[in-house]
Amino acid sequence: DARVTQTPRHKVTEMGQEVTMRCQPILGHNTVFWYRQTMMQGLELLAYFRNRAPLDDSGMPKDRFSAEMPDATLATLKIQPSEPRDSAVYFCASGLVPSGGARYNEQFFGPGTRLTVL
Amino acid sequence: DAKTTQPPSMDCAEGRAANLPCNHSTISGNEYVYWYRQIHSQGPQYIIHGLKNNETNEMASLIITEDRKSSTLILPHATLRDTAVYYCIVRAPGNQFYFGTGTSLTVIP
Repeated sequence: DARVTQTPRHKVTEMGQEVTMRCQPILGHNTVFWYRQTMMQGLELLAYFRNRAPLDDSGMPKDRFSAEMPDATLATLKIQPSEPRDSAVYFCASGLVPSGGARYNEQFFGPGTRLTVL
Repeated sequence: DAKTTQPPSMDCAEGRAANLPCNHSTISGNEYVYWYRQIHSQGPQYIIHGLKNNETNEMASLIITEDRKSSTLILPHATLRDTAVYYCIVRAPGNQFYFGTGTSLTVIP
């Protein structure tokens, strides 16, 4: 049963510290998405990648957030320095866009990383 | 930006059909309608998607109006485990999903 995995599941840190969240997409998927969920804003798309290349990170605060895919099996989301307003659940999702460019695809979500910045 | 509008909450009696509406009046001709749900604090889960025709799978049915400006997700026999937030999403170019606020469905025993 293929699943998206995320680590850590929970993270408590102090303001100013660097936070790194990791995601392992489903093997064979070529798109990866990062979302943030808070009570106030709901689910927000932060960034997404296709074939490891960043396609859109307009939803991400550029001054402190960065997202990368070092290889096809790992996506990372870093916050440096972290702030209390970054406290949220961060979800990673992966999907497969066929090479023919079909206009539909399903996203498979991981369990999320619950981040608390004190 | 979300391109859909949904009622914020709904109740449904256990065993009855739950009909969740969604308006997407600005949908383009080649954009699909997706439904996801999120149970408690888990990651969202795919339910169903469609373009023009009505769709049915083991979880739900999707009814899309002929003008495609609205759709309804139908859970034929709601159970307590169907209590969740249901998101109606129109897929934007480039595969982004914008989730909006969703409908919080409560199934009542």
